[in-house]
Amino acid sequence: ETGVTQTPRHLVMGMTNKKSLKCEQHLGHNAMYWYKQSAKKPLELMFVYSLEERVENNSVPSRFSPECPNSSHLFLHLHTLQPEDSALYLCASSRPGHFSFYEQYFGPGTRLTVT
Amino acid sequence: GQNIDQPTEMTATEGAIVQINCTYQTSGFNGLFWYQQHAGEAPTFLSYNVLDGLEEKGRFSSFLSRSKGYSYLLLKELQMKDSASYLCAVRDRGTGGFKTIFGAGTRLFVKA
Repeated sequence: ETGVTQTPRHLVMGMTNKKSLKCEQHLGHNAMYWYKQSAKKPLELMFVYSLEERVENNSVPSRFSPECPNSSHLFLHLHTLQPEDSALYLCASSRPGHFSFYEQYFGPGTRLTVT
Repeated sequence: GQNIDQPTEMTATEGAIVQINCTYQTSGFNGLFWYQQHAGEAPTFLSYNVLDGLEEKGRFSSFLSRSKGYSYLLLKELQMKDSASYLCAVRDRGTGGFKTIFGAGTRLFVKA
């Protein structure tokens, strides 16, 4: 238990659906991250929020839309996804700053299947 | 462009020492880090290097040479629980801002 929770843990959605993934951290951190982990591909950092502002955007398709309403919550809104978007989506948090950026604590992930 | 290379798999014996290498190419190096990931679990932070040299943390050490674009993770006194994937990642600062890229990971098998 790292203090980072994600819901739902599993999600199956059709390509025309709209759904949202939720992440919540109870560590007093104020930097949060979304990662995508696909089978047989390197871990991909999708979005970084520090103090509720997006600070890193690693060329993610617009069908993924992040939202960070406060320092404890992070959402990933999904719409018109493709089957290749099926993956494990991981949320992480850390304290902001150059050095503490790297010491990230991960949630358990949401296993997403797009049909 | 950006590129990270690390061996796909390694095998070592319990109690031994193993070194996992990582080479990278970036235009605006801003730090390198290592994560451990057990099968079916989320990654766990191990180490961070931004300056050349060796950082030691218990049984784990990480080394960086920026001029060579090279890092290694050293695991001492190997235990069976060290069987996992080890991910090398680099943060790069370019004209478009920061980007973080990960290597494909090195799967380490520790045998008795």
